[in-house]
Amino acid sequence: DAMVIQNPRYQVTQFGKPVTLSCSQTLNHNVMYWYQQKSSQAPKLLFHYYDKDFNNEADTPDNFQSRRPNTSFCFLDIRSPGLGDAAMYLCATSRDLDGPNTDTQYFGPGTRLTVL
Amino acid sequence: SQKIEQNSEALNIQEGKTATLTCNYTNYSPAYLQWYRQDPGRGPVFLLLIRENEKEKRKERLKVTFDTTLKQSLFHITASQPADSATYLCALDASNYQLIWGAGTKLIIKP
Repeated sequence: DAMVIQNPRYQVTQFGKPVTLSCSQTLNHNVMYWYQQKSSQAPKLLFHYYDKDFNNEADTPDNFQSRRPNTSFCFLDIRSPGLGDAAMYLCATSRDLDGPNTDTQYFGPGTRLTVL
Repeated sequence: SQKIEQNSEALNIQEGKTATLTCNYTNYSPAYLQWYRQDPGRGPVFLLLIRENEKEKRKERLKVTFDTTLKQSLFHITASQPADSATYLCALDASNYQLIWGAGTKLIIKP
């Protein structure tokens, strides 16, 4: 089945120790997103790609970086995790059907990040 | 700025009854609105999309309404079941392939 896969499902890191989260998709969607979600809060968009075109949200800290080497894969790098970065990180994809804003988003299962 | 409000308090419903969840928005006129289901520790799953020119959309036991005058969407689950217990998020279209998300309402269906 076509899907969005995130690895690892659970990640524990130490304060300040870099961590990389990965996302892959078999949907062949050209838009990919990274969200941060904390308990009982709305998903917060960190950045998204339209193909290789990178779009950073204005309030995404510089501590967060992303790479999309090809259509299928996208990575989230947290250069120096702080305690406040502990959250669920969600990867999502969408198609560009008739132009922007016309399709739903397909989410992976998420990576739960714990910072010690 | 655009704002979405969903009831932050959990909604407790008896099995078999209809559950109704509310999504209100301000400072915006979205072209469409979506509803997603999120189970604990999982990513959201798309349920329904309704466009601004549609008053109502149905899918099996689910029904969504969209009142652009009231700036409100209602999400109904009829004949609710314990398996329907989850958090339900609404999301509005924004520019540049993005969605504006609500924080969700937790629905608990009691047997």
